[in-house]
Amino acid sequence: LAKTTQPISMDSYEGQEVNITCSHNNIATNDYITWYQQFPSQGPRFIIQGYKTKVTNEVASLFIPADRKSSTLSLPRVSLSDTAVYYCLVGDLYNFNKFYFGSGTKLNVKP
Amino acid sequence: NAGVTQTPKFRVLKTGQSMTLLCAQDMNHEYMYWYRQDPGMGLRLIHYSVGEGTTAKGEVPDGYNVSRLKKQNFLLGLESAAPSQTSVYFCASSYTLQGASNQPQHFGDGTRLSIL
Repeated sequence: LAKTTQPISMDSYEGQEVNITCSHNNIATNDYITWYQQFPSQGPRFIIQGYKTKVTNEVASLFIPADRKSSTLSLPRVSLSDTAVYYCLVGDLYNFNKFYFGSGTKLNVKP
Repeated sequence: NAGVTQTPKFRVLKTGQSMTLLCAQDMNHEYMYWYRQDPGMGLRLIHYSVGEGTTAKGEVPDGYNVSRLKKQNFLLGLESAAPSQTSVYFCASSYTLQGASNQPQHFGDGTRLSIL
């Protein structure tokens, strides 16, 4: 059962790149790593998912080292609207395996 | 498309009362989930369903019951509400289990429930 550990909060300024790291020491072979974003009074929203190495989409990049015991969500040039809570999840996509959202990382972007 | 719709958005109950939260999705997803989120914490899975007519327990199922009589609807029931069940409840659905990158979990905007 792969629990995750993330920093409780992070501060950044507009225009900066932000990297949020998630530790998952007990990740299993079939587990994927998924990141969600949550704004106040809204449900979480999918950002990115990966298994190994690097994944990039239009909003973020996900870096996963070879041992897969951690992962880093990278948000390029953040804006005020990126202020939110970011959750890292680890779990098997095809066999239901409990997965934890954890407490997430509160990102505060300042002007 | 509306996506995932939760009703009601807010509710206040007295201890011992019962109620049902409704979740409806219009994306033809097989999998549906109910989570609760307490202040400063992440989401915890209460129950989930892998298809019409099936349900299963998640991490914190005690005090809740669920039903999935129709594919598009997933109901969460509290038979005898307790103050410890004060929380924000989120429903989600997905095409695959947990959600793949091209078919992630879609969440509703939550139901804020207070038990006095």
